[in-house]
Amino acid sequence: DQQVKQNSPSLSVQEGRISILNCDYTNSMFDYFLWYKKYPAEGPTFLISISSIKDKNEDGRFTVFLNKSAKHLSLHIVPSQPGDSAVYFCAGNFGNEKLTFGTGTRLTIIP
Amino acid sequence: DAGVTQSPTHLIKTRGQQVTLRCSPISGHKSVSWYQQVLGQGPQFIFQYYEKEERGRGNFPDRFSARQFPNYSSELNVNALLLGDSALYLCASSLAPGAASTDTQYFGPGTRLTVL
Repeated sequence: DQQVKQNSPSLSVQEGRISILNCDYTNSMFDYFLWYKKYPAEGPTFLISISSIKDKNEDGRFTVFLNKSAKHLSLHIVPSQPGDSAVYFCAGNFGNEKLTFGTGTRLTIIP
Repeated sequence: DAGVTQSPTHLIKTRGQQVTLRCSPISGHKSVSWYQQVLGQGPQFIFQYYEKEERGRGNFPDRFSARQFPNYSSELNVNALLLGDSALYLCASSLAPGAASTDTQYFGPGTRLTVL
């Protein structure tokens, strides 16, 4: 039962443009949604989170949008930089340490 | 400050063997969680420990067990290894339960386990 889905395994974006990564979920009981970034040979690194009672959270170049009626969230990165090339995971949780991750999207920023 | 450390980095075992993976959390962090990441998938929750007690368990068989020590470090044990146990095992630490939602849960680099 895949409660968190990332349907795009990969995405390529020109440097300086906007990167939009999408995530869908089925469990409406999630309290929080989080985005993690993972480089090869490293553990995932927290990027940004959003409470289920919010519809937007912004932190620098990163903005997460939550559409609860559609059970969809997206991560916007503006402007995209070469260092943003990594695998991005979205995850849901119930206010505890048990994160339910999606399968990830590999983002490649083209110089 | 040192981040989350895990040992060993890589490990090769054969089917039926037992393995112990180790994790040291960030200083001051009392909550440790374990995840399994199979190739091409996202990390899947195995266990969470806080103050040496199990606080959460994922959908894994009893072959998987863990414990947390008084210094908050943790071990993950897997018995009777199967080929399907081949994965990257990630450890994560946070200050306390619930901190992962709005704060950060810091992950270690993982232990790559290969079962032949």
